[in-house]
Amino acid sequence: GQNIDQPTEMTATEGAIVQINCTYQTSGFNGLFWYQQHAGEAPTFLSYNVLDGLEEKGRFSSFLSRSKGYSYLLLKELQMKDSASYLCAPMDSNYQLIWGAGTKLIIKP
Amino acid sequence: IAGITQAPTSQILAAGRRMTLRCTQDMRHNAMYWYRQDLGLGLRLIHYSNTAGTTGKGEVPDGYSVSRANTDDFPLTLASAVPSQTSVYFCASSAARGGTDTQYFGPGTRLTVL
Repeated sequence: GQNIDQPTEMTATEGAIVQINCTYQTSGFNGLFWYQQHAGEAPTFLSYNVLDGLEEKGRFSSFLSRSKGYSYLLLKELQMKDSASYLCAPMDSNYQLIWGAGTKLIIKP
Repeated sequence: IAGITQAPTSQILAAGRRMTLRCTQDMRHNAMYWYRQDLGLGLRLIHYSNTAGTTGKGEVPDGYSVSRANTDDFPLTLASAVPSQTSVYFCASSAARGGTDTQYFGPGTRLTVL
């Protein structure tokens, strides 16, 4: 079956760095997306990885290892507005996104 | 620029009633999707449409129907609502299905079935 595993909740301090891990098992693979979702709002796109390695985009970076079925999202210089849920979503062979339950990130001053 | 709009924002519905959730996008995207999001679970795909005139079933299609008469609109209908359909419903669209095309989400409809 298809499965996504990411921590339910994480806590970090403003200004610090946090890494949110995601492991996945899918039927085929066509890349992996990360989305941010603030409470009560819609998910918004953060990053897409299809090749192994690190993709950097400002304060956010995303890493992929296809052989390990593993990705992480790295958030630097944390701000209070980064308090949100982060959703890992690999795309399977049918081009369907398989969504994890998300990691709720709590930022403390 | 609206992107994707959904209506209503929220609704309380008696079990057994029929309900249509509306979704409209102005980005001329070919592909559209309906998801439901429940606490502790990932987004689950209900139905999708690759292009106007075609629809397909997702992971949890039972109890729901969709139509795609044109590019912009993708309504979701609950023929006879049941309490297990209480959820937050998100409509999304992408330029095409598959590849690196990012899915963009509407603001959601919070539905409560009593």
